[in-house]
This record gives sequence, C-alpha cells and structure tokens, in this order.
Amino acid sequence: AQSVTQLGSHVSVSEGALVLLRCNYSSSVPPYLFWYVQYPNQGLQLLLKYTTGATLVKGINGFEAEFKKSETSFHLTKPSAHMSDAAEYFCAVSDRTGFQKLVFGTGTRLLVSP
Amino acid sequence: DTAVSQTPKYLVTQMGNDKSIKCEQNLGHDTMYWYKQDSKKFLKIMFSYNNKELIINETVPNRFSPKSPDKAHLNLHINSLELGDSAVYFCASSVPGQGANYGYTFGSGTRLTVV
Repeated sequence: AQSVTQLGSHVSVSEGALVLLRCNYSSSVPPYLFWYVQYPNQGLQLLLKYTTGATLVKGINGFEAEFKKSETSFHLTKPSAHMSDAAEYFCAVSDRTGFQKLVFGTGTRLLVSP
Repeated sequence: DTAVSQTPKYLVTQMGNDKSIKCEQNLGHDTMYWYKQDSKKFLKIMFSYNNKELIINETVPNRFSPKSPDKAHLNLHINSLELGDSAVYFCASSVPGQGANYGYTFGSGTRLTVV
C-alpha cells in the first residue's frame, strides 16, 4: 500500500527565507506525486505534480519540487518565502493505473514571520 | 462558474440526527470522490464513484452512504450522527484514470459540527 510521510507538522521561516517542506513516499512502483496547498477555511489547490519526464517540476506561486527516486522523496521548495505563503501543505501520491485515488500525507503548516 | 460546489458550507447538528451533503461538478468529469479531513488536518478518502458506479469504498461506518444520481452529482448521507463525525468533508472530481494528468478538482469543503 502506498503511504506518504511529511516530516515536520510545522515549519517556520522568515519572510524572504528559503522554504523547504519534506515529503517521502512508500510505493512498490514509482507513483504520481503531488503537492497541494490549503489556505485557512478553503479547499485544496494543486501546486504542482510529477507524472513523467523532468524530475524537477515547477508549480504555481514560485514553488518547485524534485522527484528523487533513489531517496523516494519529493520535497517542496521556494527560494524566498512570502507572507501569503502561510498555509497548510499536503504531499500526496496516487497509482499510475486504475482509478488513481489520492493518498495524502499528514500535512505541514508553513508559518511565515515578518 | 464554480467547478466543484458543495452545499452546505457549514452544518451544525445534534447527535443522532441524519444529514446530507451535496456535491455537483460542471467539469464533465466521470469520477467523483469524498474525502474526510479530521481535526488534525489528515485527509482520507472515503468513497469514489465512476459514472454513477461505486469503485472505492474505504473502511467507513455503514452510517455513511454515498449516492450518485448522475455522473455530475455525488451526495453523502450520514445517519445517526456521532461526535466523531465532526470534520470537514471535501468532494473532488477527476477524469477517470487521468487524475494525475488532468488534475483533481476539489470543492471548498463542508464543515460538519456535531454537538
């Protein structure tokens, strides 16, 4: 069965600092990988995804993530944090075949201080 | 022109009541899902329908019954509500087998509070 581990339930950074949110997955075959963001009292918005091809994927709002098969990781980064980035971030995986249900990690709350 | 819409947005009800949450999507997707987000923000799939047919049924109490009258609608009915049912319920949709390529679209959630 697939699973996702997000290290750190909370990550605090200063505005302008590097953002690094960690995600490791467990799957018998390389899955599809996603990062979603949830702003307070809102639904989930797709930040970026990895399916095939280039392992460094760029998403919205300046975020990017790199798929590292050898490390079974898909960490999310942003060079310079903005106050508006404060939110809950979820890493998720899905099978490459079938109906591809999403399996989510437990989430990481990003706190950005001035 | 909301893609996935859920009603109601907030629902406060007493223990033992029966309630329904409705979801509609206008994206033409064939596959729809219900996810539950608990108080610790953990998201877990409950059900999935593909073109009105139940395809995913996770370990969920029998008090929860999904219904899909057509592929654009997926409703969730909950009988005999319990305190532990308090959560945010998200509806989502995707192109079958292509969720990764074309994306999953989530509704804005229904916050259910059982008192």
